[in-house]
Amino acid sequence: DADVTQTPRNRITKTGKRIMLECSQTKGHDRMYWYRQDPGLGLRLIYYSFDVKDINKGEISDGYSVSRQAQAKFSLSLESAIPNQTALYFCATSDTTGTGVGYTFGSGTRLTVV
Amino acid sequence: QKEVEQNSGPLSVPEGAIASLNCTYSDRVSQSFFWYRQYSGKSPELIMSIYSNGDKEDGRFTAQLNKASQYVSLLIRDSQPSDSATYLCAVNARSGNTPLVFGKGTRLSVIA
Repeated sequence: DADVTQTPRNRITKTGKRIMLECSQTKGHDRMYWYRQDPGLGLRLIYYSFDVKDINKGEISDGYSVSRQAQAKFSLSLESAIPNQTALYFCATSDTTGTGVGYTFGSGTRLTVV
Repeated sequence: QKEVEQNSGPLSVPEGAIASLNCTYSDRVSQSFFWYRQYSGKSPELIMSIYSNGDKEDGRFTAQLNKASQYVSLLIRDSQPSDSATYLCAVNARSGNTPLVFGKGTRLSVIA
């Protein structure tokens, strides 16, 4: 099983619908992140959480919300989906050891809003 | 605004050649530097990390860091077609208590 699991892998939804993307991890990491990736724009941070009681906005949080249900689970919601939220979404985790650590990414969710 | 800049490419190199990928960053307090490889439609995969000035080698990969010039690079020796991917540079600050900032990536194409 993957260390970081994202569901669904692919989703097509209609404008105005509410949708939730889920992320769970078995790495025991405290820190979790949501990024979106668009062609030519790289990875952009939506929200991040350093522990269960900590939620922080990233550079593009408008139109999104998150929930950290447990150390292992971090969900991203689009309250009312719009077409420019069509993108590839990645969840990532990291631990808190050392002065700086790399991330482990999930396999991604490809979201299309029509 | 913390920024990480990379040439978007594509960078084309012949098989067996050395590929050189470059990254500059704006935040002088950055202390941790990472290179990720991302195949089309797949998730980024960590291939190198570097924290100190100088070179760090791992197999065919060498990361080079120059903090004075705010410059980090990745060299891939004996490039293979399977190295064709987008390479993302990422940095974070001294304490590690801020998320990584990613560059937009450089697309590498290794021609057989």
